[in-house]
Amino acid sequence: DVKVTQSSRYLVKRTGEKVFLECVQDMDHENMFWYRQDPGLGLRLIYFSYDVKMKEKGDIPEGYSVSREKKERFSLILESASTNQTSMYLCASSSLLLKQGRNTEAFFGQGTRLTVV
Amino acid sequence: LAKTTQPISMDSYEGQEVNITCSHNNIATNDYITWYQQFPSQGPRFIIQGYKTKVTNEVASLFIPADRKSSTLSLPRVSLSDTAVYYCLVGDGVTGGGNKLTFGTGTQLKVEL
Repeated sequence: DVKVTQSSRYLVKRTGEKVFLECVQDMDHENMFWYRQDPGLGLRLIYFSYDVKMKEKGDIPEGYSVSREKKERFSLILESASTNQTSMYLCASSSLLLKQGRNTEAFFGQGTRLTVV
Repeated sequence: LAKTTQPISMDSYEGQEVNITCSHNNIATNDYITWYQQFPSQGPRFIIQGYKTKVTNEVASLFIPADRKSSTLSLPRVSLSDTAVYYCLVGDGVTGGGNKLTFGTGTQLKVEL
């Protein structure tokens, strides 16, 4: 079974703290993604990566950065946490595009509920 | 510009067939249509994917008309456990790179007794 593991299920941080959310997948997938999910807004893509050291901005990258030093690990960094970053964060991975326009199946972690106080 | 449009919510009763329609007027020639399901407190999971006509698996059927500007996810004889959010996605690959998976707000399906 594919496994995508997020380091924490629940996290409480203070405003201004630097926060690291870690995600590890065990299927040798090329693509990895970070989303946040808020009520009424669905899943919004923050960043994604299709190779080691490669990253692409998603729809809401402001206030976030990412790191992918190893293929299996994708980290989301909140440089200076703010209360409006309180959210559910979801990591996902998938194998390379089958062909242009045909997304491969993505596998999600259980999510990290981050509260910034 | 949103790539897909779905109803925000739908209600049904156990045993009924549920059809959720997704509009994707600007779908590209190469784009496939993919549906995901998300239960509360879990990440989404892949249900079905198709390009044209009809695709069926053990969970659902996907109907895609000839113009491919919409698609319909069909859930036969739903049960309470089908209560979830359903997302429709169209292909969003990055030329020369990976695929950018863009979800929308999805359709909240509520199944009652």
